[in-house]
Amino acid sequence: EAQVTQNPRYLITVTGKKLTVTCSQNMNHEYMSWYRQDPGLGLRQIYYSMNVEVTDKGDVPEGYKVSRKEKRNFPLILESPSPNQTSLYFCASSPHPGNYGYTFGSGTRLTVV
Amino acid sequence: AQTVTQSQPEMSVQEAETVTLSCTYDTSENNYYLFWYKQPPSRQMILVIRQEAYKQQNATENRFSVNFQKAAKSFSLKISDSQLGDTAMYFCAFMIKGAGNQFYFGTGTSLTVIP
Repeated sequence: EAQVTQNPRYLITVTGKKLTVTCSQNMNHEYMSWYRQDPGLGLRQIYYSMNVEVTDKGDVPEGYKVSRKEKRNFPLILESPSPNQTSLYFCASSPHPGNYGYTFGSGTRLTVV
Repeated sequence: AQTVTQSQPEMSVQEAETVTLSCTYDTSENNYYLFWYKQPPSRQMILVIRQEAYKQQNATENRFSVNFQKAAKSFSLKISDSQLGDTAMYFCAFMIKGAGNQFYFGTGTSLTVIP
């Protein structure tokens, strides 16, 4: 089944403890992206990638890192999480976002205490 | 800066009726794409419909259609014959053609279909 897989689905962590949210797609898509969703703010783009080793900042990159060493994987790294990073996170992929939109993963609910 | 505005935080509609969700956007670019996404309680994001700015004809997907007014920078979504499964949050989104990969989302409209 063609899909974007994120893990974990839920995560509670403490301030300052490094964490990684994994994202993998099996559709051979060039483009991948991370979003966070907050009530009243919609979805905001954190980082995106147009191909292996090509990444760029979105609207809210502060406090996050990404890497794209392989086409299928695009992990999101929080080096030192803070409570304001408590949010619902989505990974997405696309062969061409303009022509096809993005296919989204199921989301990761992160709580930082 | 590119912005997307959804001015209706919540809406409701009777089953089988028609409802229109509004979306306006602001950009100085001429070539772009517009999208509507649906997010049901399962929180999965589902693409509903897509429109290219250079196409005059409004996109249609089964019961979903758009009213694209480029001069007014308006992109409303019409849902006909509303069904209980249409209950969801709906997000309007926008992407500039040829300018990297940035998607801009609105804040969403929560739609409830009433039996």
